[in-house]
Amino acid sequence: AQSVTQLDSQVPVFEEAPVELRCNYSSSVSVYLFWYVQYPNQGLQLLLKYLSGSTLVKGINGFEAEFNKSQTSFHLRKPSVHISDTAEYFCAAGFQGAQKLVFGQGTRLTINP
Amino acid sequence: NAGVMQNPRHLVRRRGQEARLRCSPVKGHSHVYWYRQLPEEGLKFMVYLQKENIIDESGMPKERFSAEFPKEGPSILRIQQVVRGDSAAYFCASSPPGGYSPLHFGNGTRLTVT
Repeated sequence: AQSVTQLDSQVPVFEEAPVELRCNYSSSVSVYLFWYVQYPNQGLQLLLKYLSGSTLVKGINGFEAEFNKSQTSFHLRKPSVHISDTAEYFCAAGFQGAQKLVFGQGTRLTINP
Repeated sequence: NAGVMQNPRHLVRRRGQEARLRCSPVKGHSHVYWYRQLPEEGLKFMVYLQKENIIDESGMPKERFSAEFPKEGPSILRIQQVVRGDSAAYFCASSPPGGYSPLHFGNGTRLTVT
């Protein structure tokens, strides 16, 4: 079955510390991957995407993610977080042959001063 | 360019009433998707439409829910005879034709059933 799993429902970190939000997928076909951010009472905003090519993808707000096919992972990282990064982060995958995206359960990132 | 526009932002309905949620996609986008977000849960796919066609409704409950994307006008998600369990945030997204495009999301409609 095709699925996306975010291993951590909540991640608390201190301001200016690095962070990694984990995402794994399951698929028997080609996959393309996205990370979205959701601020309170808003829709989802695209952070970055992986379609093909370089496995290290850079996005907005200083975030980056690395596609690892052998580990079926697409973890999101930022070297130094700010209070403004407090939000819910969603990993999503599109699978070859299907137009829709499948989302993970989300990870709530909270930044402590 | 205007993004995906959803209205209303908040909708309160009593049990048994009908809820109509509207979505205008990004100009030039011909694909529309509806997702539902329950508290503390991720986004669950409901339905994918192109103009005048339902392409994939595998995530939509068989009863009480329907969706359309007419040739003219916004996409509509309709929930008949709402129940408390329908309370959720409903998000619409759109994408241009062609594969592997990111989805552009609206700010959602928060439905509360009392």
